[in-house]
Amino acid sequence: KNQVEQSPQSLIILEGKNCTLQCNYTVSPFSNLRWYKQDTGRGPVSLTIMTFSENTKSNGRYTATLDADTKQSSLHITASQLSDSASYICVVSPYGGSQGNLIFGKGTKLSVKP
Amino acid sequence: DGGITQSPKYLFRKEGQNVTLSCEQNLNHDAMYWYRQDPGQGLRLIYYSQIVNDFQKGDIAEGYSVSREKKESFPLTVTSAQKNPTAFYLCASSIDGPPVKLHFGNGTRLTVT
Repeated sequence: KNQVEQSPQSLIILEGKNCTLQCNYTVSPFSNLRWYKQDTGRGPVSLTIMTFSENTKSNGRYTATLDADTKQSSLHITASQLSDSASYICVVSPYGGSQGNLIFGKGTKLSVKP
Repeated sequence: DGGITQSPKYLFRKEGQNVTLSCEQNLNHDAMYWYRQDPGQGLRLIYYSQIVNDFQKGDIAEGYSVSREKKESFPLTVTSAQKNPTAFYLCASSIDGPPVKLHFGNGTRLTVT
């Protein structure tokens, strides 16, 4: 069964610190993996996309990595800010799947404290 | 600015009543989607539409209905047959074809008592 597991479920860090969020998936065959940020009470916004051939991609203070062999991805946040407090959702697209066949993780809720 | 507008932000209904959630986009996207979000769960697909006048059921379509009469609009009706309708509903759109990048609205929180 295609699944996406995210860890930790929640995380509290101090402002200015770094953190890493994990996403493990069993989706096969794999097309791409996308990370979304969802502020409380709002819709998710795409941060970055990783395809099969990509290992690392950065978007400002966010850096995503992908190991397609072990089916793991991580999202690293550098020098966290209060505005980083949100849920981060990992979404995997199966290769050849329809547009309605995205597989969502349950998300990691990050709280950044001053 | 282009985007997706969902209305209303909050909606309250009595049990047994049908209710329609609005979703409008001006991104000129062909595909539109409805997802349901519950605490501690990943987003679950209710319906999606790739073209006007055509739509497909998602994983949890029972108790919901949709229409796609215009490219810009994809309203969702939560019927009285939906056993547990209280949830946060998210509408999204995307351009056609992979990779899929979803553009979400800011959701409607529906409470049914």
